[in-house]
Amino acid sequence: EVHLVQSGAEVTKPGESLKISCKGSGYDFDSYWIGWVRQMPGKGLEWMGVIYPRDSDTRYSPSFQGQVIISVDIPISTAYLQWNSLTASDTAIYYCARYPSMVRGVMADYWGQGTLVTVSS
Amino acid sequence: QSALTQPASVSGSPGQSITISCTGTSSDVGAYNYVSWYQQHPGKAPKLMIYDVNNRPSGISNRFSGSKSGNTASLTISGLRAEDEADYYCSSYTTTNTLGVLFGGGTKLTVL
Repeated sequence: EVHLVQSGAEVTKPGESLKISCKGSGYDFDSYWIGWVRQMPGKGLEWMGVIYPRDSDTRYSPSFQGQVIISVDIPISTAYLQWNSLTASDTAIYYCARYPSMVRGVMADYWGQGTLVTVSS
Repeated sequence: QSALTQPASVSGSPGQSITISCTGTSSDVGAYNYVSWYQQHPGKAPKLMIYDVNNRPSGISNRFSGSKSGNTASLTISGLRAEDEADYYCSSYTTTNTLGVLFGGGTKLTVL
């Protein structure tokens, strides 16, 4: 059975760095894209970017390019979303999701449970 | 990149049918049959309901169906049930600025 399990909630201060994780199991981790989606409090879903573990091909939404870094560690089947300097506007729930393909049938078929990131002084 | 356009809210009574629209452009919804729909209940992760415009994943009720005409995709829910009350998001592959994905702004479905 496919599972995506995300790291726990984080409370951080403006200017700090942060890395959250998403561990896949029950499938060939390196053969499926992993995407990240932001949901700000009371708002809709925003697609941030996606990575293909096998070759680390990474695509970012223009809105998030340069603001975050998406990476993977194949041996531990884990994808990461990283910030170097957080601001209060980064406060949100972040979901990871599995994408079987980014050339056809582009859909997020499995989702993690979400990680709440709170940035406050 | 602008989000796909969805109505903020729709409502219907149990047993009725409702349709949620999702309008994009000729660079996303209109160009590819890669439109998907997600259901999100409060405090929960989104769940895939429809993919490739009109396909249902295993386990999804046939009360949910999708279609597309030009730059607008639609999700129809027939035989409304109380448990269908949730937020619904459309999504499309896009080639504007990046080879990626766009989401709609979301539609709150209320079952009266």
